[in-house]
Amino acid sequence: EAGVAQSPRYKIIEKRQSVAFWCNPISGHATLYWYQQILGQGPKLLIQFQNNGVVDDSQLPKDRFSAERLKGVDSTLKIQPAKLEDSAVYLCASSRGSWTEQETQYFGPGTRLLVL
Amino acid sequence: SQKIEQNSEALNIQEGKTATLTCNYTNYSPAYLQWYRQDPGRGPVFLLLIRENEKEKRKERLKVTFDTTLKQSLFHITASQPADSATYLCALALGGKLIFGQGTELSVKP
Repeated sequence: EAGVAQSPRYKIIEKRQSVAFWCNPISGHATLYWYQQILGQGPKLLIQFQNNGVVDDSQLPKDRFSAERLKGVDSTLKIQPAKLEDSAVYLCASSRGSWTEQETQYFGPGTRLLVL
Repeated sequence: SQKIEQNSEALNIQEGKTATLTCNYTNYSPAYLQWYRQDPGRGPVFLLLIRENEKEKRKERLKVTFDTTLKQSLFHITASQPADSATYLCALALGGKLIFGQGTELSVKP
């Protein structure tokens, strides 16, 4: 089966600009996650969708970050305006069914963002 | 406060030896713990899951232990190979989400 697809792979922007990332999960996967991974750290969950509904967005900086998952398939994550500390890799992951703690998550390659 | 800590420094070992990576946590009570491998420029890849009532889990050359009293998981790679060089992440499964440690970079020299 095809893996999780993300684009773009790299993005360089100036601070205060906006940027958007796109994710296409594995076909049939109901749950989709966006993580932020800062260099030298583990991934940190930003938002979790179950189909097209938000399950957890407690760590999403809602004043500048937004995400949507239209029709319960693809998802976009947007940052507006970007700050220097947003420089990180943004990972998208998906899992098969209703979230359980046994679920394996499948990660995409990530989008590397550099804010200058 | 809640914390997950993995080996703070990179681990360098000789090919053929056993690599042992540590994951310690405080103030969590996870029902499950997962280990992932991450190569440079790539997303994490799932390796193993262990439940709180399991002491040990094996998969080929990999072995994971989970001690809920010590609040610690150990990840072993036996007969290590240069291809095992990567960053290894432990993740606690809590309240419907994964909380990741910072990862340990493993380098296996020929």
